[in-house]
Amino acid sequence: QKEVEQNSGPLSVPEGAIASLNCTYSDRGSQSFFWYRQYSGKSPELIMSIYSNGDKEDGRFTAQLNKASQYVSLLIRDSQPSDSATYLCAVNWAGAGSYQLTFGKGTKLSVIP
Amino acid sequence: DAGITQSPRYKITETGRQVTLMCHQTWSHSYMFWYRQDLGHGLRLIYYSAAADITDKGEVPDGYVVSRSKTENFPLTLESATRSQTSVYFCASSESGTGDPGELFFGEGSRLTVL
Repeated sequence: QKEVEQNSGPLSVPEGAIASLNCTYSDRGSQSFFWYRQYSGKSPELIMSIYSNGDKEDGRFTAQLNKASQYVSLLIRDSQPSDSATYLCAVNWAGAGSYQLTFGKGTKLSVIP
Repeated sequence: DAGITQSPRYKITETGRQVTLMCHQTWSHSYMFWYRQDLGHGLRLIYYSAAADITDKGEVPDGYVVSRSKTENFPLTLESATRSQTSVYFCASSESGTGDPGELFFGEGSRLTVL
């Protein structure tokens, strides 16, 4: 069974610090990786996608992928209270053009002012 | 406005009743999905559809029925609701042509309570 594992948290960081969220997955053949943010009582929204090893930066967010270690992470620089949310890691085992997506259970992030 | 809409947003029903949750998207996305979200389980896929008239089971399909006669609509029916189906249901869509189908756009959710 293909699994996506995240630390449930809560992860607490002070405002302005770097928040580091981690995710591991069970299948080396996985192709596509995603980070979703979900505010309490709201629906998930896509914030980052990454497809190849290395780093991908978008504003204050950096996604890091290491396929050999089966590990994907999300760094949030200069964390703000508005970043407080649950972050969901998702893996598409099948790659572009097909669909076999599994979500992790999420890590709750709390940014302390 | 373009987007993905779900209705009803809130529904209370009784055990044994049939319930249909509606989902409509205006992007003409190929893929549509139904997820349920419960504490301790995260998001779990119920059914998905790669195109009109093509549907497939996800992780937890028992007790649910879907159809997709038009690209823009993907209703989810609980044929005989049970208390274990009390949950928040999310509809989502994605486009495989220009991106990865894992890039989902979610509706606002439908909170269903079965008494």
